[in-house]
Amino acid sequence: GENVEQHPSTLSVQEGDSAVIKCTYSDSASNYFPWYKQELGKRPQLIIDIRSNVGEKKDQRIAVTLNKTAKHFSLHITETQPEDSAVYFCAVGVYNQGGKLIFGQGTELSVKP
Amino acid sequence: EPEVTQTPSHQVTQMGQEVILRCVPISNHLYFYWYRQILGQKVEFLVSFYNNEISEKSEIFDDQFSVERPDGSNFTLKIRSTKLEDSAMYFCASTLTGVDEQYFGPGTRLTVT
Repeated sequence: GENVEQHPSTLSVQEGDSAVIKCTYSDSASNYFPWYKQELGKRPQLIIDIRSNVGEKKDQRIAVTLNKTAKHFSLHITETQPEDSAVYFCAVGVYNQGGKLIFGQGTELSVKP
Repeated sequence: EPEVTQTPSHQVTQMGQEVILRCVPISNHLYFYWYRQILGQKVEFLVSFYNNEISEKSEIFDDQFSVERPDGSNFTLKIRSTKLEDSAMYFCASTLTGVDEQYFGPGTRLTVT
């Protein structure tokens, strides 16, 4: 089955710096790649997603890049703010398989003021 | 904006007891999911459900688990005989097409004592 690896497990940056989180996956049939932000005790919230026919997508301070050949995708957060502190999960989905998502292990991002 | 809702928010039960977790997906959505998250760990897929039947289930979803859509609005997860290791946060999610954003409910925290 699909295996998703996420790195790093923890990331600490200064306010205003950039943060990059990387994920790799194993199933070449995977074609949907969302990123979720989860605050303590809350539900995962989608922050950005990308599909396999697109290499990069940006939404204000957040961007995701996808390399299908290498089977990896990354989340980039620029100009980080303390409210960006949370756990971030990458996930991988496959069309035509009911849409289940396989999640990475999560990255705890801490933005220090 | 419509939301997925879940009840109860917290359920405490004794080992061996049956529990039913309830979810109300977004009204026009067609695909439904249950995930679980053990404290401090990643989100894990349990089961997907479409057209009144299970589309796919994970190894975690053994014979002790079942899902049902008893009417046009509710989607339930039943655990027949709970074990200590079933203690986790259980998230319901729904999506319109199965290939777009999954909307997560707020979760039910299940504590098995």
